[in-house]
Amino acid sequence: DVKVTQSSRYLVKRTGEKVFLECVQDMDHENMFWYRQDPGLGLRLIYFSYDVKMKEKGDIPEGYSVSREKKERFSLILESASTNQTSMYLCASSFAARQFTFGSGTRLTVV
Amino acid sequence: SQQGEEDPQALSIQEGENATMNCSYKTSINNLQWYRQNSGRGLVHLILIRSNEREKHSGRLRVTLDTSKKSSSLLITASRAADTASYFCATDEHDMRFGAGTRLTVKP
Repeated sequence: DVKVTQSSRYLVKRTGEKVFLECVQDMDHENMFWYRQDPGLGLRLIYFSYDVKMKEKGDIPEGYSVSREKKERFSLILESASTNQTSMYLCASSFAARQFTFGSGTRLTVV
Repeated sequence: SQQGEEDPQALSIQEGENATMNCSYKTSINNLQWYRQNSGRGLVHLILIRSNEREKHSGRLRVTLDTSKKSSSLLITASRAADTASYFCATDEHDMRFGAGTRLTVKP
């Protein structure tokens, strides 16, 4: 069964910490995406990548960076975590931007 | 970006009833997709309808697409308590963006 795996379901970090959220897919998909989801705001696109070492900003990239050194792995980095980055983070992958496969999400709390 | 906007924001029905959710978008599309999200989990792909299709079925799901009105509807027939979830539409072949979704509650 194909899947997108996010390394943590729940994460608690302190303000100012550097946080890494990992996402791995086993479908050989070119495209990978990071979203955050907040009540009433839907899913907002943070960053996406169409290929290894390529990255594009989404709608809310401020305070985040990404890394894609291998095709199967797309990491989201919070350079200095802040309380307003407390959210559900969802990773997804797709082939040619068709059907998306999502991970189970990481609920991050920054205290 | 071509973000789908779902309507209504919330819908509450009894088990056995049909549920209809709508999605509107702003520009031309190549396809439109519907996804489902159980509470606190990732989204699961339900169905994709192409711009040259008007209707598509999958089990108890029926999706229609009206490109002249830039809208789509998702109908769930004979709903079950297990259908309780949030439903999202998404358009655009790239840079997939999602709206806030419709929160469906099916009461047993």
